[in-house]
Amino acid sequence: EVQLVESGGGLVQPGGSLRLSCAASGFAVSSRYMTWVRQAPGKGLEWVSAIYRGGDTHYADSVKGRFTISRDNSKNTLYLQMNSLRAEDTAVYYCARSTSYGDYVPWYFDLWGRGTLVTVSS
Amino acid sequence: EIVLTQSPATLSLSPGERATLSCWASQSVYSYLAWYQQKPGQAPRLLIYDASNRATGIPARFSGSGSGTDFTLTISSLEPEDFAVYYCQQRITWPLTFGGGTKVEIK
Repeated sequence: EVQLVESGGGLVQPGGSLRLSCAASGFAVSSRYMTWVRQAPGKGLEWVSAIYRGGDTHYADSVKGRFTISRDNSKNTLYLQMNSLRAEDTAVYYCARSTSYGDYVPWYFDLWGRGTLVTVSS
Repeated sequence: EIVLTQSPATLSLSPGERATLSCWASQSVYSYLAWYQQKPGQAPRLLIYDASNRATGIPARFSGSGSGTDFTLTISSLEPEDFAVYYCQQRITWPLTFGGGTKVEIK
């Protein structure tokens, strides 16, 4: 079955760190662009970070310098290392896979995990 | 950053009615826009990509149109399972951005 399963969320104090994982099955994370999107409680979707097949990365300004996206091809897993966490980082974090239409691989997302909740609070 | 503004915030309709949702971009995104559906407690689901192409498995009652800065998602006849929140997303430039969403609720 093709799926993404996030883990690693939880309660953390402001200034703390967490590492989120996203285990893929049914496809190789190295074969697609991958991304993290978050959703604060009761709010809309916010793109967080992305990684190309070749390893280049992009970040939202709100997390740049604090979050790091990476992947382990041998474990077929995507990661998001989150440091210096703030209350405003509280959200459900989704990992998602880019679409692929032959040679056309646009930054839209056709497979999402169920999300993992990160709560930043003292 | 490209800002996507969705209108209306809430749309109250009955099953069988036609739904028309709008998404405006602060600058041209050409046709590089997608629409997603999200139900409570679920992840988003891709409906439309590149403004007008239905994603795999999406029913024909969903259609997208527009280019440049003005886009529309139309649901021709609402089914009970279509009541949800809908988001647009642009991919023309970084950062990727989403609209604030339109909630389609049962009238």
